[in-house]
Amino acid sequence: QKEVEQNSGPLSVPEGAIASLNCTYSDRGSQSFFWYRQYSGKSPELIMSIYSNGDKEDGRFTAQLNKASQYVSLLIRDSQPSDSATYLCAAFTGGGNKLTFGTGTQLKVEL
Amino acid sequence: ETGVTQTPRHLVMGMTNKKSLKCEQHLGHNAMYWYKQSAKKPLELMFVYNFKEQTENNSVPSRFSPECPNSSHLFLHLHTLQPEDSALYLCASSIQGQNEAFFGQGTRLTVV
Repeated sequence: QKEVEQNSGPLSVPEGAIASLNCTYSDRGSQSFFWYRQYSGKSPELIMSIYSNGDKEDGRFTAQLNKASQYVSLLIRDSQPSDSATYLCAAFTGGGNKLTFGTGTQLKVEL
Repeated sequence: ETGVTQTPRHLVMGMTNKKSLKCEQHLGHNAMYWYKQSAKKPLELMFVYNFKEQTENNSVPSRFSPECPNSSHLFLHLHTLQPEDSALYLCASSIQGQNEAFFGQGTRLTVV
């Protein structure tokens, strides 16, 4: 079983719509969770972090965490073409500094 | 100047060559990491250094040899690589315990 699992996509949404990206993790001891955005040919960029159950909002982005279900999601409101990228979910796992990534979900925002 | 800088950005090397990748961070962080990113695969953690001490070696072949002379610099020494080692190699840093890692631009490595 993969430690952090994401649907690879592509997920296509029209401009202005809400994009919903999902992630599940297997390690119940995971303490913190992150969403990174990676444009083609570029390095990952941290866009959201979430540490406790519930929602966390930052501008057009909302991260949601449900530790009981081992589920993390990222909502992007008013999606823009510039949001088209691969979104990586990551979980801090293990006793040391180990950030484990999913394979990423490719998002395409269409005009 | 970006927070985490990697050089070179692109590297083509033969299987018998020896080369080194360099990473430097200007964020005051005390943990540094090497990740490998291959097509269609998740980011793979290779090495972790906390306060210059290696705390994680994720079953990486010995043809990859890390070096961390201080908390701002990290190297990855490469020798006798295989074509399947071609990938994007990413350096990241964080403050230990705060988990948020920041990445450099990466080195695109091609082994021929």
